Amino acid sequence: EVQLVQSGAEVKKPGESLKISCQGSGSSFNKYWIAWVRQMPGKGLEWMGIIYPGDSDTEYSPSFQGQVTISVDKSISTTYLQWSSLRASDTAMYYCARLAEYNPSSGGEGFFDYWGQGTLVTVSS
Amino acid sequence: SYELTQPSSVSVSPGQTANITCSGDELGNKYVYWYQQTPGRSPLVLIYRDNRRPSGIPDRISGANSGNTATLTISGTQSVDEADYYCQAWDSRTVFFGGGTKLTVL
Repeated sequence: EVQLVQSGAEVKKPGESLKISCQGSGSSFNKYWIAWVRQMPGKGLEWMGIIYPGDSDTEYSPSFQGQVTISVDKSISTTYLQWSSLRASDTAMYYCARLAEYNPSSGGEGFFDYWGQGTLVTVSS
Repeated sequence: SYELTQPSSVSVSPGQTANITCSGDELGNKYVYWYQQTPGRSPLVLIYRDNRRPSGIPDRISGANSGNTATLTISGTQSVDEADYYCQAWDSRTVFFGGGTKLTVL
Protein backbone atom coordinates (compact mmCIF):
# COMPACT_ATOMS: atom_id res chain seq x y z
CA GLU A 1 0.00 0.00 0.00
CA VAL A 2 1.28 3.43 -0.91
CA GLN A 3 1.54 5.89 1.96
CA LEU A 4 2.94 9.38 2.16
CA VAL A 5 3.61 10.47 5.72
CA GLN A 6 4.35 14.11 6.35
CA SER A 7 6.13 15.78 9.23
CA GLY A 8 4.18 17.48 11.99
CA ALA A 9 2.74 20.96 12.33
CA GLU A 10 5.14 23.87 12.65
CA VAL A 11 4.84 27.30 14.26
CA LYS A 12 7.48 29.75 13.14
CA LYS A 13 8.26 33.46 13.23
CA PRO A 14 8.68 35.62 10.14
CA GLY A 15 12.22 35.44 8.82
CA GLU A 16 12.89 31.96 10.19
CA SER A 17 13.80 29.00 7.99
CA LEU A 18 11.89 25.75 7.76
CA LYS A 19 12.12 22.35 6.10
CA ILE A 20 9.17 19.98 6.11
CA SER A 21 9.21 16.41 4.90
CA CYS A 22 7.18 13.74 3.18
CA GLN A 23 8.24 10.11 3.50
CA GLY A 24 6.92 7.52 1.10
CA SER A 25 6.46 3.82 1.60
CA GLY A 26 6.84 1.09 -0.93
CA SER A 27 9.57 0.16 -3.39
CA SER A 28 8.02 2.30 -6.11
CA PHE A 29 8.72 5.61 -4.37
CA ASN A 30 11.70 6.45 -6.57
CA LYS A 31 9.73 5.76 -9.74
CA TYR A 32 7.09 8.45 -9.35
CA TRP A 33 7.27 12.22 -9.30
CA ILE A 34 6.17 13.77 -6.01
CA ALA A 35 4.40 17.12 -5.87
CA TRP A 36 3.92 19.76 -3.22
CA VAL A 37 0.57 21.55 -3.05
CA ARG A 38 -0.33 24.58 -0.92
CA GLN A 39 -3.72 25.30 0.58
CA MET A 40 -4.03 28.61 2.37
CA PRO A 41 -6.67 28.90 5.11
CA GLY A 42 -10.13 28.63 3.59
CA LYS A 43 -8.73 28.66 0.06
CA GLY A 44 -8.15 26.29 -2.84
CA LEU A 45 -5.31 24.10 -3.99
CA GLU A 46 -2.15 25.54 -5.54
CA TRP A 47 0.54 23.46 -7.21
CA MET A 48 4.05 24.40 -6.10
CA GLY A 49 6.28 21.98 -7.95
CA ILE A 50 7.36 18.40 -8.47
CA ILE A 51 10.49 16.34 -8.00
CA TYR A 52 11.62 12.99 -9.35
CA PRO A 53 13.35 11.04 -6.57
CA GLY A 54 15.29 8.92 -9.06
CA ASP A 55 17.49 11.79 -10.24
CA SER A 56 16.25 14.82 -8.25
CA ASP A 57 14.93 16.48 -11.42
CA THR A 58 12.68 19.32 -10.24
CA GLU A 59 10.08 21.52 -11.87
CA TYR A 60 8.56 24.54 -10.14
CA SER A 61 5.37 26.43 -10.68
CA PRO A 62 6.24 29.93 -11.91
CA SER A 63 4.33 31.23 -8.89
CA PHE A 64 6.68 29.50 -6.46
CA GLN A 65 9.98 29.52 -8.37
CA GLY A 66 12.60 31.15 -6.15
CA GLN A 67 10.28 31.18 -3.12
CA VAL A 68 10.81 27.60 -1.97
CA THR A 69 13.19 24.71 -2.54
CA ILE A 70 12.09 21.16 -3.21
CA SER A 71 14.61 18.41 -2.60
CA VAL A 72 14.79 14.66 -2.02
CA ASP A 73 16.79 12.01 -0.21
CA LYS A 74 15.97 8.88 -2.12
CA SER A 75 17.92 6.69 0.28
CA ILE A 76 15.15 7.28 2.84
CA SER A 77 12.29 7.82 0.35
CA THR A 78 11.76 11.36 1.58
CA THR A 79 11.08 14.62 -0.19
CA TYR A 80 11.39 18.05 1.39
CA LEU A 81 9.93 21.51 1.03
CA GLN A 82 12.11 24.29 2.35
CA TRP A 83 11.94 28.02 3.04
CA SER A 84 14.94 30.20 3.84
CA SER A 85 12.92 33.11 5.21
CA LEU A 86 9.28 32.60 6.08
CA ARG A 87 6.58 35.22 5.74
CA ALA A 88 3.19 35.42 7.36
CA SER A 89 1.68 34.73 3.93
CA ASP A 90 3.32 31.27 3.98
CA THR A 91 0.80 30.23 6.62
CA ALA A 92 -1.00 27.30 5.02
CA MET A 93 -1.50 23.56 4.89
CA TYR A 94 1.08 21.89 2.66
CA TYR A 95 0.42 18.54 1.03
CA CYS A 96 2.71 16.19 -0.79
CA ALA A 97 1.15 13.98 -3.42
CA ARG A 98 2.26 11.28 -5.83
CA LEU A 99 1.94 12.18 -9.47
CA ALA A 100 0.57 9.34 -11.58
CA GLU A 101 0.82 8.99 -15.35
CA TYR A 102 3.34 11.82 -15.67
CA ASN A 103 5.78 11.73 -18.55
CA PRO A 104 7.85 14.93 -18.82
CA SER A 105 9.03 14.05 -22.32
CA SER A 106 5.45 14.14 -23.57
CA GLY A 107 4.77 17.59 -22.21
CA GLY A 108 3.09 16.85 -18.97
CA GLU A 109 -0.25 15.43 -17.91
CA GLY A 110 -0.86 13.34 -14.88
CA PHE A 111 -2.83 13.43 -11.66
CA PHE A 112 -2.31 13.10 -7.92
CA ASP A 113 -3.35 9.64 -6.82
CA TYR A 114 -1.96 9.47 -3.28
CA TRP A 115 -1.71 12.36 -0.85
CA GLY A 116 0.03 12.91 2.43
CA GLN A 117 -1.98 13.94 5.46
CA GLY A 118 -0.76 17.53 5.22
CA THR A 119 1.58 19.69 7.30
CA LEU A 120 0.17 22.87 8.80
CA VAL A 121 2.68 25.71 8.80
CA THR A 122 1.83 28.77 10.87
CA VAL A 123 4.00 31.86 10.58
CA SER A 124 3.28 34.53 13.16
CA SER A 125 5.20 37.02 15.21
CA SER B 1 -1.28 31.83 -17.15
CA TYR B 2 -4.13 29.42 -17.65
CA GLU B 3 -7.32 29.75 -15.63
CA LEU B 4 -9.92 27.19 -14.61
CA THR B 5 -13.22 28.63 -13.42
CA GLN B 6 -15.64 26.81 -11.16
CA PRO B 7 -18.84 28.01 -9.47
CA SER B 8 -18.13 28.74 -5.84
CA SER B 9 -21.11 26.72 -4.68
CA VAL B 10 -23.69 24.23 -5.88
CA SER B 11 -26.71 23.01 -3.95
CA VAL B 12 -28.63 19.81 -4.56
CA SER B 13 -31.37 17.85 -2.85
CA PRO B 14 -30.63 14.33 -1.62
CA GLY B 15 -31.11 11.77 -4.36
CA GLN B 16 -30.86 14.35 -7.13
CA THR B 17 -28.04 14.89 -9.62
CA ALA B 18 -25.33 17.46 -9.03
CA ASN B 19 -23.38 18.93 -11.91
CA ILE B 20 -20.20 20.86 -11.17
CA THR B 21 -18.63 22.69 -14.06
CA CYS B 22 -15.07 23.74 -14.78
CA SER B 23 -14.36 26.17 -17.60
CA GLY B 24 -11.16 27.04 -19.38
CA ASP B 25 -9.93 28.09 -22.79
CA GLU B 26 -10.11 25.06 -25.12
CA LEU B 27 -10.35 22.84 -22.05
CA GLY B 28 -11.75 20.05 -24.20
CA ASN B 29 -8.30 19.67 -25.74
CA LYS B 30 -6.79 18.88 -22.37
CA TYR B 31 -7.31 16.11 -19.84
CA VAL B 32 -9.28 17.15 -16.77
CA TYR B 33 -9.02 15.60 -13.33
CA TRP B 34 -11.40 15.98 -10.38
CA TYR B 35 -10.76 15.84 -6.66
CA GLN B 36 -13.01 15.76 -3.62
CA GLN B 37 -11.93 17.29 -0.33
CA THR B 38 -13.94 16.95 2.86
CA PRO B 39 -13.18 19.22 5.84
CA GLY B 40 -9.91 18.39 7.54
CA ARG B 41 -8.98 15.73 4.96
CA SER B 42 -6.57 15.46 2.08
CA PRO B 43 -7.97 15.61 -1.45
CA LEU B 44 -9.10 12.40 -3.12
CA VAL B 45 -9.04 11.84 -6.88
CA LEU B 46 -12.48 11.04 -8.28
CA ILE B 47 -11.92 11.28 -12.03
CA TYR B 48 -8.84 11.17 -14.20
CA ARG B 49 -8.40 11.71 -17.94
CA ASP B 50 -11.81 13.39 -18.20
CA ASN B 51 -14.00 10.42 -17.38
CA ARG B 52 -12.08 7.52 -15.83
CA ARG B 53 -12.69 6.44 -12.26
CA PRO B 54 -9.97 5.07 -9.99
CA SER B 55 -10.81 1.82 -8.27
CA GLY B 56 -13.12 2.37 -5.34
CA ILE B 57 -14.92 5.39 -6.81
CA PRO B 58 -18.61 4.54 -7.33
CA ASP B 59 -20.09 4.67 -10.81
CA ARG B 60 -22.61 7.30 -9.75
CA ILE B 61 -19.69 9.70 -10.18
CA SER B 62 -18.81 10.55 -13.76
CA GLY B 63 -16.99 13.16 -15.80
CA ALA B 64 -17.19 14.70 -19.24
CA ASN B 65 -15.12 17.28 -21.08
CA SER B 66 -15.88 19.09 -24.33
CA GLY B 67 -15.37 22.52 -25.81
CA ASN B 68 -14.47 24.91 -23.02
CA THR B 69 -16.23 23.09 -20.19
CA ALA B 70 -15.68 19.97 -18.14
CA THR B 71 -18.44 18.63 -15.91
CA LEU B 72 -18.37 16.42 -12.86
CA THR B 73 -21.69 14.66 -12.34
CA ILE B 74 -22.75 13.07 -9.08
CA SER B 75 -25.93 11.02 -9.39
CA GLY B 76 -28.09 10.06 -6.44
CA THR B 77 -26.38 12.65 -4.28
CA GLN B 78 -25.98 11.73 -0.63
CA SER B 79 -25.03 13.68 2.47
CA VAL B 80 -21.57 12.10 2.31
CA ASP B 81 -21.03 13.96 -0.96
CA GLU B 82 -20.99 17.31 0.82
CA ALA B 83 -17.46 18.50 0.15
CA ASP B 84 -15.30 20.81 -1.89
CA TYR B 85 -14.56 19.72 -5.43
CA TYR B 86 -11.61 20.83 -7.53
CA CYS B 87 -10.86 20.40 -11.20
CA GLN B 88 -7.28 20.20 -12.42
CA ALA B 89 -5.59 20.46 -15.81
CA TRP B 90 -2.16 21.05 -17.29
CA ASP B 91 -1.00 23.87 -19.50
CA SER B 92 2.57 24.49 -20.62
CA ARG B 93 3.92 21.87 -18.20
CA THR B 94 2.21 23.58 -15.28
CA VAL B 95 -0.59 22.26 -13.10
CA PHE B 96 -3.65 24.43 -12.65
CA PHE B 97 -6.50 23.89 -10.21
CA GLY B 98 -9.90 25.44 -10.37
CA GLY B 99 -10.92 27.58 -7.43
CA GLY B 100 -13.12 24.85 -6.01
CA THR B 101 -16.87 24.30 -5.67
CA LYS B 102 -18.59 23.70 -2.36
CA LEU B 103 -21.35 21.14 -2.82
CA THR B 104 -24.18 21.39 -0.34
CA VAL B 105 -26.75 18.62 -0.04
CA LEU B 106 -29.87 20.28 1.33
